[in-house]
Amino acid sequence: DTAVSQTPKYLVTQMGNDKSIKCEQNLGHDTMYWYKQDSKKFLKIMFSYNNKELIINETVPNRFSPKSPDKAHLNLHINSLELGDSAVYFCASRPRRTGELFFGEGSRLTVL
Amino acid sequence: AQSVTQPDIHITVSEGASLELRCNYSYGATPYLFWYVQSPGQGLQLLLKYFSGDTLVQGIKGFEAEFKRSQSSFNLRKPSVHWSDAAEYFCAVDLNNAGNMLTFGGGTRLMVKP
Repeated sequence: DTAVSQTPKYLVTQMGNDKSIKCEQNLGHDTMYWYKQDSKKFLKIMFSYNNKELIINETVPNRFSPKSPDKAHLNLHINSLELGDSAVYFCASRPRRTGELFFGEGSRLTVL
Repeated sequence: AQSVTQPDIHITVSEGASLELRCNYSYGATPYLFWYVQSPGQGLQLLLKYFSGDTLVQGIKGFEAEFKRSQSSFNLRKPSVHWSDAAEYFCAVDLNNAGNMLTFGGGTRLMVKP
């Protein structure tokens, strides 16, 4: 009964491919996020959805497209993968009344 | 520009020694403040948070942090480090206090010597 779960945990693919990462939270939170952690451990917000509506869209290439079919799910689709997309992608969710984030275990994407 | 700084990239302490990890933010008002820990291959776990009130906050695993407005700091402390505390520690700031957007510092990797 993991609170925030991501699949797959590891993903190795070739440049130019398209891939998706899925995220589900069973905490009943309204807001979900995607963060990218680079090789130097730096964490940067990519997107945020509140109840299926996009509320934060940082400067991210439009090859990245988030989709939220319902408020418990936030998926990340990446087109035309590039070497620089290699990173760990974290999904997170947040309850309405507090600012703390609950993170998934991350999805390590390696682009060859 | 608004930012969060963790000046120490790596820290090594002996088991049983005390620990202080530094965090400074650059922002006009008092933001919401957080410390997270990331063990190898894991996601981030919240250690503690500060929204308002008492400037010394207690967290899980024996950690505490003190908010100092005059220094724009929110340093994390632990009186006696255990080997299992070896991990990456991240300070985070919610700059608009709406809970929408956490900005993270660059992290401090803690290593513990036996």
